[in-house]
Amino acid sequence: GQNIDQPTEMTATEGAIVQINCTYQTSGFNGLFWYQQHAGEAPTFLSYNVLDGLEEKGRFSSFLSRSKGYSYLLLKELQMKDSASYLCAAPDPFTVDSSYKLIFGSGTRLLVRP
Amino acid sequence: GAVVSQHPSWVICKSGTSVKIECRSLDFQATTMFWYRQFPKQSLMLMATSNEGSKATYEQGVEKDKFLINHASLTLSTLTVTSAHPEDSSFYICSARDIIAQLGYEQYFGPGTRLTVT
Repeated sequence: GQNIDQPTEMTATEGAIVQINCTYQTSGFNGLFWYQQHAGEAPTFLSYNVLDGLEEKGRFSSFLSRSKGYSYLLLKELQMKDSASYLCAAPDPFTVDSSYKLIFGSGTRLLVRP
Repeated sequence: GAVVSQHPSWVICKSGTSVKIECRSLDFQATTMFWYRQFPKQSLMLMATSNEGSKATYEQGVEKDKFLINHASLTLSTLTVTSAHPEDSSFYICSARDIIAQLGYEQYFGPGTRLTVT
């Protein structure tokens, strides 16, 4: 199965850079997702990494190391609107009916202060 | 593209009544939809996988008879919370996989339904 760990909460300052880590233990690997979720809203897709390395998308970048079972989401030039929960998720390799369930981490609540 | 809607966005019901929540994929077809529940300050908990034309697959600990799922078409899945109790109050979110998804595992999420049982 999958076990996904991320810090519960983080605080950062507007304009700064923050790195949100995610570690996973799995007997099979099919990539790693990052989602952003504002309070009371649905998650929105940020990134999907299947190969090692850093992928950059504007202010957000995501990194993956398959050998270390480790990923991080890097947010640059933080804005107040970046205050949200960030969810790390991976497909369940043992989905019996091939529905490709996603297993979510507990989420990291990021608070951006002025 | 890839828009998923949910209806209603919020609902208040009395204890003992049933509530139906609809999840629709608006611009794509979805053979598989997922239903999640989320309590305050917690992550998403998968309740069940809804498959078009067949029975839903429930996660361990989720009561099939209490949370009825129907996936009657490639664009609609419904979740009915039967005999609702205050402890069923939660944020219910659905997601859908595009039948022709470029990313095989990506799910598109609906906006969620806030259920309050009094």
